[in-house]
Amino acid sequence: KQEVTQIPAALSVPEGENLVLNCSFTDSAIYNLQWFRQDPGKGLTSLLLIQSSQREQTSGRLNASLDKSSGRSTLYIAASQPGDSATYLCAVTLGGQGGKLIFGQGTELSVKP
Amino acid sequence: NAGVTQTPKFQVLKTGQSMTLQCAQDMNHEYMSWYRQDPGMGLRLIHYSVGAGITDQGEVPNGYNVSRSTTEDFPLRLLSAAPSQTSVYFCASSYSPLAGGRQFFGPGTRLTVL
Repeated sequence: KQEVTQIPAALSVPEGENLVLNCSFTDSAIYNLQWFRQDPGKGLTSLLLIQSSQREQTSGRLNASLDKSSGRSTLYIAASQPGDSATYLCAVTLGGQGGKLIFGQGTELSVKP
Repeated sequence: NAGVTQTPKFQVLKTGQSMTLQCAQDMNHEYMSWYRQDPGMGLRLIHYSVGAGITDQGEVPNGYNVSRSTTEDFPLRLLSAAPSQTSVYFCASSYSPLAGGRQFFGPGTRLTVL
């Protein structure tokens, strides 16, 4: 059974710091991995999607990497800002059930001014 | 594009009542799904659809029904609400998750069952 784990569960950093969020998964048979952002009381916003054949994706200050063989992904946020404060979720797409997402529990990020 | 829309945003039900959570998307996506989000349990798949007229069960389908008569709409029906169905419900859509399509989520419906 696929399990997705995110460490740490919570992270507090000062503004301007570069940071890394970690995601690990137990079964390497995934189609892709997505990183989402969730603000309190809101829906999920897709940040980056990495196909299983890719190693990384970049969008602005965000860079996500994927190492399928070791079952790991990282989300790197450069020059963090208070507006980056949110919960970040990683999710892997499985082949069954049309593209079911298996989510981690999330990392709650707080960026202090 | 409005993306994925959900109504209502909030709902309070009494045990045994029924209701329908609405979900619509204007991106012509074939794949749509419903998740529930609970503290400590994360997001779990309830039902999904790979196209109009085709639906199937996810991980936690009991107590819920779905139908997909059009590409745009994918309503979720609670047949007889129970306190265990208190949760936040998210609808999602994608053009093809297995071909690299991102999944887009709606803003959610916060449901309380008393």
